[in-house]
Amino acid sequence: GNSVTQMEGPVTLSEEAFLTINCTYTATGYPSLFWYVQYPGEGLQLLLKATKADDKGSNKGFEATYRKETTSFHLEKGSVQVSDSAVYFCALVNSGGYQKVTFGTGTKLQVIP
Amino acid sequence: DVKVTQSSRYLVKRTGEKVFLECVQDMDHENMFWYRQDPGLGLRLIYFSYDVKMKEKGDIPEGYSVSREKKERFSLILESASTNQTSMYLCASSELAGEQYFGPGTRLTVT
Repeated sequence: GNSVTQMEGPVTLSEEAFLTINCTYTATGYPSLFWYVQYPGEGLQLLLKATKADDKGSNKGFEATYRKETTSFHLEKGSVQVSDSAVYFCALVNSGGYQKVTFGTGTKLQVIP
Repeated sequence: DVKVTQSSRYLVKRTGEKVFLECVQDMDHENMFWYRQDPGLGLRLIYFSYDVKMKEKGDIPEGYSVSREKKERFSLILESASTNQTSMYLCASSELAGEQYFGPGTRLTVT
């Protein structure tokens, strides 16, 4: 079956530091990959996505590249802000229109001034 | 913007009570989902629905049921609440596979 593995948190960074949150996956076929973000007290929001190998998803300064050879989709940001403090979830969905999403367990990011 | 609303942000119920959690979306999405979120376990799918009156079990359906009588509304029902159902419940809707829009969540405490 499908699975998503994220690095354990919490991750604590100083403002303007470089961020990497690792994500690897196991899936059959050619899944689409996603990053979601959950700010305190809110539901999840879609942050970015990539639908095929070597695609790069980007949004709000965050980027992630779909690496089929390493089955990875690591999230990066060049310079984090305090407002980026949140929980980040990596997720996948199988190709073929299936709606069921497999989520990772989430990585909490805390950015300190 | 898609809006998904949930009937309550916080709810406290007693063991054995029947509990209804309501979710409404305003973008005419076909698909709706109920998850529970627990620390260290991430999101676990309880049920989803791909059309009115259609439903499918997710990974942890035991102790729950759902109802979808109208396209915009998806209800989660705890037939007899138990303390191990204390959790954050998240509703979501989607049109495109994987692109889900979430409500703010209902934090349910069963005492």
